[in-house]
Amino acid sequence: IVLTQSPATLSSSPGERATLSCRASQSVSNYLAWYQQKPGQAPRLLIYDASNRATGIPARFSGSGSGTDFTLTISSLEPEDFAVYYCQQRSNWPPITFGQGTRLEIK
Amino acid sequence: EVQLVESGGGLVQPGGSLRLSCAASGFIFSSFWMSWIRQAPGKGLEWVANIKQDGSEKYYVDSVKGRFTISRDNPKNSLYLQMNSLRGEDTAVYYCVRGLNWFDPWGQGTLVTVSS
Repeated sequence: IVLTQSPATLSSSPGERATLSCRASQSVSNYLAWYQQKPGQAPRLLIYDASNRATGIPARFSGSGSGTDFTLTISSLEPEDFAVYYCQQRSNWPPITFGQGTRLEIK
Repeated sequence: EVQLVESGGGLVQPGGSLRLSCAASGFIFSSFWMSWIRQAPGKGLEWVANIKQDGSEKYYVDSVKGRFTISRDNPKNSLYLQMNSLRGEDTAVYYCVRGLNWFDPWGQGTLVTVSS
């Protein structure tokens, strides 16, 4: 299953709302997760099963969708949110696959 | 605190071998699927392999089948990745991760560089 993330780069300002998309080449049900990766760090789990926040993740992060279309929304961007975001599926595996990533940069 | 610590990375020549290790702590290691995920320099994430709780099932991405072997030692709370016949395209940071449906937490990663 191929995951396609859009946009490749999103330029936003602190305080704005950010919407990141992940589209699957076939249905993955709700077996979709989102990760955040900052430079020089390992990825961190944000959302699992499409809409459940991982432990310790702020409420400004939310996930939605099912089937082939998914969205990660950051309601009000904080300076520490500027990073690369990846989606990941394990519905039809192996292989488990990741999207190519969306870079969220400061405008 | 749940923690995963990788070791064993380094510089190796094409065709060479390397064994990565991951020490797990802070959780019941034997209760979880475990995986290796890699990230080539400046690139995205690629799942490499995973192993069931008791080691009875193992799965690999096609590009490493027949060259890499994942294993675990539950009494030692350790995960391993034996990498043989290494190629330049295997150059990456290799992460040890817990889970199957999703991955959490991630280790800090260990860099493998395949170059002559």
